[in-house]
Amino acid sequence: AQKITQTQPGMFVQEKEAVTLDCTYDTSDQSYGLFWYKQPSSGEMIFLIYQGSYDEQNATEGRYSLNFQKARKSANLVISASQLGDSAMYFCAMRETKKTSYDKVIFGPGTSLSVIP
Amino acid sequence: NAGVTQTPKFQVLKTGQSMTLQCAQDMNHEYMSWYRQDPGMGLRLIHYSVGAGITDQGEVPNGYNVSRSTTEDFPLRLLSAAPSQTSVYFCASSYSEVNIQYFGAGTRLSVL
Repeated sequence: AQKITQTQPGMFVQEKEAVTLDCTYDTSDQSYGLFWYKQPSSGEMIFLIYQGSYDEQNATEGRYSLNFQKARKSANLVISASQLGDSAMYFCAMRETKKTSYDKVIFGPGTSLSVIP
Repeated sequence: NAGVTQTPKFQVLKTGQSMTLQCAQDMNHEYMSWYRQDPGMGLRLIHYSVGAGITDQGEVPNGYNVSRSTTEDFPLRLLSAAPSQTSVYFCASSYSEVNIQYFGAGTRLSVL
């Protein structure tokens, strides 16, 4: 079963506008973590932002913020003032806790973002 | 500081051949993991390790073996390559499971 859902395979945004990338997750754990990574066309994976399940405030890192709605199990990434360099694949990931094994980090299928000049 | 180093960057194998993808990190991270990336499927966890001598299976472990004899190295072995293993493989490390993962540059593998 898909633990992390990213329903937008592709998104377009005008330069300087804000964009929201959706992420919903499935877990029965009380303690978990959510990550967003960026993968430009060059292929490297770049960490953007992290939210712990017990964090009361939404995480922010520069132009990136995470809209965390725990009851809805969503962790949407908001990019403000989009730049051409933001064009990339974006992956939502979750640290999953299992009683019978160690914590592990799993990824969603990704959203391709294209910023239009 | 080299970070996470993966070798080789590219590899072509014939069906049935074996090979080892190398991964080394110099950050003294306990947690290391292997992912494969296929179009439309994101990154899928193959195996991971929480320290030397301790490994566990991820989402798609079949056809792959791992071992962790040192903190620095976490090789991924394909015992008998199959075309379904054609993919881009990423190794990642972090201080612990809850921390940010640092990724290698990836290995692009084609199995003919």
